[in-house]
Amino acid sequence: QQQVKQSPQSLIVQKGGISIINCAYENTAFDYFPWYQQFPGKGPALLIAIRPDVSEKKEGRFTISFNKSAKQFSLHIMDSQPGDSATYFCAASSGNTGKLIFGQGTTLQVKP
Amino acid sequence: DTGVSQDPRHKITKRGQNVTFRCDPISEHNRLYWYRQTLGQGPEFLTYFQNEAQLEKSRLLSDRFSAERPKGSFSTLEIQRTEQGDSAMYLCASSHRTDGAYEQYFGPGTRLTVT
Repeated sequence: QQQVKQSPQSLIVQKGGISIINCAYENTAFDYFPWYQQFPGKGPALLIAIRPDVSEKKEGRFTISFNKSAKQFSLHIMDSQPGDSATYFCAASSGNTGKLIFGQGTTLQVKP
Repeated sequence: DTGVSQDPRHKITKRGQNVTFRCDPISEHNRLYWYRQTLGQGPEFLTYFQNEAQLEKSRLLSDRFSAERPKGSFSTLEIQRTEQGDSAMYLCASSHRTDGAYEQYFGPGTRLTVT
């Protein structure tokens, strides 16, 4: 019940295209869903996050879509750029601990 | 730079040796988390502190691991009698409560290689 499942494992997108990464969870107690971007040799960087009381959140080219009934959420990267090439992790946490349960990661390659 | 810092960035040690890592959080963040990340995987939770109190430890944290956060500022993670399976990136995250959730900001990590 603690798992967060992420797909696809890898993704190749042309410059200017839309990148879509999906996550699914089982634990209905999760109440915070962030996405992180990680470049090789660096720590994860917080991109955008959503709470379950909203269905969508947009920040610049990044959008989270959240489907509470399906227990799924996704990251959309609009107008993908080569500089977006990185590994993306979804995560979830619940309650007062705040500890994050991460998905397995998606390696995104944006071709020029 | 007011972000999270970790030291050292890289550590190579021989099996059986003890190692200690340090994390300096964003000032005034009262929470600090430690995670471990192996190649090709997402980070896994190890432990967290609220101020100087250690509130939860994962079962991943064997008795060879110990963490402290004296005075609620920087934190240290010590691994005794290192094993090859301890080779990983050790990540520290600094956190504060925003809109009912604990946003976490990660440091650059310490990459440990046990030979």
